[in-house]
Amino acid sequence: KAGVTQTPRYLIKTRGQQVTLSCSPISGHRSVSWYQQTPGQGLQFLFEYFSETQRNKGNFPGRFSGRQFSNSRSEMNVSTLELGDSALYLCASSFFARRQGTSYEQYFGPGTRLTVT
Amino acid sequence: QKEVEQNSGPLSVPEGAIASLNCTYSDRGSQSFFWYRQYSGKSPELIMFIYSNGDKEDGRFTAQLNKASQYVSLLIRDSQPSDSATYLCAVNGKDTGNQFYFGTGTSLTVIP
Repeated sequence: KAGVTQTPRYLIKTRGQQVTLSCSPISGHRSVSWYQQTPGQGLQFLFEYFSETQRNKGNFPGRFSGRQFSNSRSEMNVSTLELGDSALYLCASSFFARRQGTSYEQYFGPGTRLTVT
Repeated sequence: QKEVEQNSGPLSVPEGAIASLNCTYSDRGSQSFFWYRQYSGKSPELIMFIYSNGDKEDGRFTAQLNKASQYVSLLIRDSQPSDSATYLCAVNGKDTGNQFYFGTGTSLTVIP
């Protein structure tokens, strides 16, 4: 079974621009979560989508947004890029969102390395 | 207080030894616990998950969970140089959907 795929793998943008990252989950997985990883902050949760609905959102400014399509593929968008947005953006997919308080395991894609200059 | 705390290390063990990685969490309602391994420049790879108190073994890996003490650990037996990586502890939130809280990771080096 193919794993989580993310495109593009690398991006270089300048301040003020916007960027769109794409994620295709493992076949059959309906939950997609996005994380930002930086050396200083570690892995920080951005948001989660399930059945095209945003179920949960982390503590990031409104410049960070996302969506999910009917085939479970997801995109995230960052507008008005800042230098501090330079990070590895990781997408993780899970079979289902949650059951009885437990969470299904999440599998990460290879990530998109975003550099803002 | 951070939701998930790990000793950042670095932790060095000789080849063949047992490596012990520890993690504490703050949300008593958390019910799902995960260990990820991340090699430098790569994305996290799931290696273990545990939901119930006690031990769970998978090959050379054993995850241990103590909900009363809000403590989860990972033991790696017969450590190999290929185990050298950063190990991330992840915990779900009680009422936060599928959101995981991650520790900052423990860097492990296995010395041949």
